[in-house]
Amino acid sequence: NAGVTQTPKFRVLKTGQSMTLLCAQDMNHEYMYWYRQDPGMGLRLIHYSVGEGTTAKGEVPDGYNVSRLKKQNFLLGLESAAPSQTSVYFCASSYQGGNEQFFGPGTRLTVL
Amino acid sequence: AQKVTQAQTEISVVEKEDVTLDCVYETRDTTYYLFWYKQPPSGELVFLIRRNSFDEQNEISGRYSWNFQKSTSSFNFTITASQVVDSAVYFCALSGGNYGGATNKLIFGTGTLLAVQP
Repeated sequence: NAGVTQTPKFRVLKTGQSMTLLCAQDMNHEYMYWYRQDPGMGLRLIHYSVGEGTTAKGEVPDGYNVSRLKKQNFLLGLESAAPSQTSVYFCASSYQGGNEQFFGPGTRLTVL
Repeated sequence: AQKVTQAQTEISVVEKEDVTLDCVYETRDTTYYLFWYKQPPSGELVFLIRRNSFDEQNEISGRYSWNFQKSTSSFNFTITASQVVDSAVYFCALSGGNYGGATNKLIFGTGTLLAVQP
């Protein structure tokens, strides 16, 4: 099993550009999450999904959109990137709420 | 509101020393879950432990041990006889259950950077 994978691993964008980060899990988990990690701030939840076709806002959702069209995939979109979105993005999944979350390797995004 | 506080930003120890990482949490939920994750220099997040609010037994796993005390809302993590490979950022996290919080949201502390010197 690959666990949780993220594509791409690194990306540099210019302000105003758009992009999509892809997260895939092969553990048949219902719940999936997107976090961002910034220095000194730990991980903060952007959006999450409790099942295929569902999404919900987390702690810092502004500037991001998500979709969960298939159970195994959770996409994070930036429609118009801003320098404040420079961060490391982590995807995670869990069997259900309250369970251990399994994390992907992260995507390092720089917005110039 | 739910909150996790890791007051120790950085800790430096010499190999073989014992070290305790502090975690204090706030929640109104009576059912909740506490976690510790390790983030080594390579960047991935590694799950260490999950504890539910009804289980206050301390846990030991090799050189790692955890002390959960509801009376002080703390979930501290001790590494005995530290090794260089223990150098990492350690995160404490909380997910709520039945009042205001939600089990599907993890609230992370800001992490403690542990540096173990040889």
